[in-house]
Amino acid sequence: GNSVTQMEGPVTLSEEAFLTINCTYTATGYPSLFWYVQYPGEGLQLLLKATKADDKGSNKGFEATYRKETTSFHLEKGSVQVSDSAVYFCALRRMNNNNDMRFGAGTRLTVKP
Amino acid sequence: DVKVTQSSRYLVKRTGEKVFLECVQDMDHENMFWYRQDPGLGLRLIYFSYDVKMKEKGDIPEGYSVSREKKERFSLILESASTNQTSMYLCASSLLGRGETQYFGPGTRLLVL
Repeated sequence: GNSVTQMEGPVTLSEEAFLTINCTYTATGYPSLFWYVQYPGEGLQLLLKATKADDKGSNKGFEATYRKETTSFHLEKGSVQVSDSAVYFCALRRMNNNNDMRFGAGTRLTVKP
Repeated sequence: DVKVTQSSRYLVKRTGEKVFLECVQDMDHENMFWYRQDPGLGLRLIYFSYDVKMKEKGDIPEGYSVSREKKERFSLILESASTNQTSMYLCASSLLGRGETQYFGPGTRLLVL
């Protein structure tokens, strides 16, 4: 079935460190892939997305590339800030008529000054 | 800006009570979703709706029902609340179509005593 696996947290980094959060997926066909972010006390916000192989999504310094050959969509940022502290969710849009999504378990990131 | 609002941020209910969680979106989206979020499990789909009066079960519909009488409003009902339904409940909406972004409300944290 369709599923998303992302690296377990928590992840703790110092400010300006390089961030990678791994995400791999299992799906039939070519699902759309997403990263959502949840700041403390808030709902999820879309961070970036990619809808086909080799697409790169980017926003606020974060990037992720849709890699069909490795079924991956790893999230990266070159220099994290304290304000990036949040929970990050990888997700895929299922290839059916229902338009629903599968989410990973979430990775908590803490950035220390 | 897309806005998804949920009727309560925090709720405390007793076992056996009937609980209503309301969600309203203002962007004329066809799709609406209810998820629950639990630590280590990510988001799991309870129910979704792709049109007024239409509903489909998600992955964990047991113990829940939904109502969509108007396009902008999607209600989640716990017929008889139980302690294992203590969770964060997130509502989302989206346009029809593959790859369409889901927009989330701020969530309702429900405690069942």
